[in-house]
Amino acid sequence: GEDVEQSLFLSVREGDSSVINCTYTDSSSTYLYWYKQEPGAGLQLLTYIFSNMDMKQDQRLTVLLNKKDKHLSLRIADTQTGDSAIYFCAESRERDDKIIFGKGTRLHILP
Amino acid sequence: GAVVSQHPSWVICKSGTSVKIECRSLDFQATTMFWYRQFPKQSLMLMATSNEGSKATYEQGVEKDKFLINHASLTLSTLTVTSAHPEDSSFYICSARPGTAQPGANVLTFGAGSRLTVL
Repeated sequence: GEDVEQSLFLSVREGDSSVINCTYTDSSSTYLYWYKQEPGAGLQLLTYIFSNMDMKQDQRLTVLLNKKDKHLSLRIADTQTGDSAIYFCAESRERDDKIIFGKGTRLHILP
Repeated sequence: GAVVSQHPSWVICKSGTSVKIECRSLDFQATTMFWYRQFPKQSLMLMATSNEGSKATYEQGVEKDKFLINHASLTLSTLTVTSAHPEDSSFYICSARPGTAQPGANVLTFGAGSRLTVL
């Protein structure tokens, strides 16, 4: 299967919380990342978490890491229209020192 | 924070011509740069890893003679699409990572991308 998997679409009402999930395969990954891509633009680093952490919070963003299940999630509190974008999960793969991306989750905000 | 500049943002060329895309790290030295191609349905495909002063490492299925990568300095990598054809039309994105001794060594910073259209 794919190294990094995430669902392709998520629709959330404005003001609700968005939770984007991701699974990865390399148990030795040291860093896991969330990137945001707005239409026609490059990728912007939102946050990253070191593998020995369970959680990281930064304003409206909360990252949860379950290393046993190799599951990563990104929670966006109080979702706004400006959060509409594609969100990519990525892992730093230890065996070849590459950063591998999932296919991205398109977050759509409902009024 | 770290900034990566990519140029040009848009380029349209005729079939058979070559196009060069530049990727510069503006405020840090990037010993490693990566070139990605993004397909219409979102997925980001790693094309090659560019290391300063040495040959690029290409991913399986990427033609090295078609996509020439040069990383001549610690702040500049270029991707040249040679003899471009319509199927090469895509969104190309570069990213850079500081050397291991620099802050943020494990964080990739991305350029804004270059959209190539081959007529």
